[in-house]
Amino acid sequence: DTGVSQDPRHKITKRGQNVTFRCDPISEHNRLYWYRQTLGQGPEFLTYFQNEAQLEKSRLLSDRFSAERPKGSFSTLEIQRTEQGDSAMYLCASSLGNSGDTQYFGPGTRLTVL
Amino acid sequence: AQKITQTQPGMFVQEKEAVTLDCTYDTSDPSYGLFWYKQPSSGEMIFLIYQGSYDQQNATEGRYSLNFQKARKSANLVISASQLGDSAMYFCAMRGISGTYKYIFGTGTRLKVLA
Repeated sequence: DTGVSQDPRHKITKRGQNVTFRCDPISEHNRLYWYRQTLGQGPEFLTYFQNEAQLEKSRLLSDRFSAERPKGSFSTLEIQRTEQGDSAMYLCASSLGNSGDTQYFGPGTRLTVL
Repeated sequence: AQKITQTQPGMFVQEKEAVTLDCTYDTSDPSYGLFWYKQPSSGEMIFLIYQGSYDQQNATEGRYSLNFQKARKSANLVISASQLGDSAMYFCAMRGISGTYKYIFGTGTRLKVLA
């Protein structure tokens, strides 16, 4: 399977705990994106990487959220001191960076904060 | 600011019939891209079709076509010959070309195909 992969697919945690999600993009894609989707809504942009550089970050992303993409390959999204409002689907996407720049999404990580 | 509006929260269509899902957008970018994605209950966003703002012809991909009316700022998705497997959420998205690569998504339309 050469698509975008995400791990874990589901995560249940208690409020106040830290969680980390991983995304492996399509191998030749140099752009990587994180989105958050809550029930009944479309995905909302969180942050974006071009290779290893984090080029854009949403104002939605509080200081408790951090993302990295070391070596421009896989990426991690960490949420510290989770809150119930963080419960959502976290989607990762990657793109080639060509003229159409279509983003291809992974299956998502569903986070539930108790 | 960019915005995508999908005014149909839910739609029904009979199997083998065609259906149109509405999408209007707002942007001040002179160049932009419009996308449609399908999200089944499993949660994965599946890319369906892309239309560039300067493309002269409407995009088509198999049973999917995009009815792009630039003056009206609409980018409706047409699904022909609906199948039961088309039942899903459908999202319209836009990307501005200048300065940002993030997508702005609409709130989606839930399509149910009836046997």
